[in-house]
Amino acid sequence: EDKVVQSPLSLVVHEGDTVTLNCSYEVTNFRSLLWYKQEKKAPTFLFMLTSSGIEKKSGRLSSILDKKELFSILNITATQTGDSAIYLCAKGGTSYGKLTFGQGTILTVHP
Amino acid sequence: GAGVSQTPSNKVTEKGKYVELRCDPISGHTALYWYRQSLGQGPEFLIYFQGTGAADDSGLPNDRFFAVRPEGSVSTLKIQRTERGDSAVYLCASSSTVAGPYNEQFFGPGTRLTVL
Repeated sequence: EDKVVQSPLSLVVHEGDTVTLNCSYEVTNFRSLLWYKQEKKAPTFLFMLTSSGIEKKSGRLSSILDKKELFSILNITATQTGDSAIYLCAKGGTSYGKLTFGQGTILTVHP
Repeated sequence: GAGVSQTPSNKVTEKGKYVELRCDPISGHTALYWYRQSLGQGPEFLIYFQGTGAADDSGLPNDRFFAVRPEGSVSTLKIQRTERGDSAVYLCASSSTVAGPYNEQFFGPGTRLTVL
């Protein structure tokens, strides 16, 4: 059975802190690892990773994939209150359409 | 351009009733997906369409759930004889597969279904 596990489940920080969110997955039929940010209802796309060891960056957010150890991390530097959201990690497999999501990490950034 | 839209945004129904949830994908996106998200959980895959056909319906929980996409654009998720356990946010997503199969999926705002 496909499984994606995220940790921590929730995290409370203050503005300016750096956070690291973790995502581990099962290797079966792995094709891609995706990160989404969910603030109210619609998850919004952040990154898609397919190659090990190559960091993707977008402003204060970055992510990297380790295909040997079967995990990915999402880093957010200099956090802002607008970063407060649920961060979802998802694995894309050989069935093109199917994404298997983790439970999500609830990030709360206090001013 | 316009993103994925879903209607209604909220739906309250009684146990045993039939409901239809609608999804309008991003124009030109050939792939369309339905997910269900319960409180405190990540989205759970239900079904995937490539064009008009359901390419993978392995996530539909039982035969009370059915989805169609007759013209390859708008899709409707249909739930018969609703049960309280069907209460969740139903998310729709679409993607362009022109450049290859592993493209990001763009999500709509979801329909919050409450079965009383």
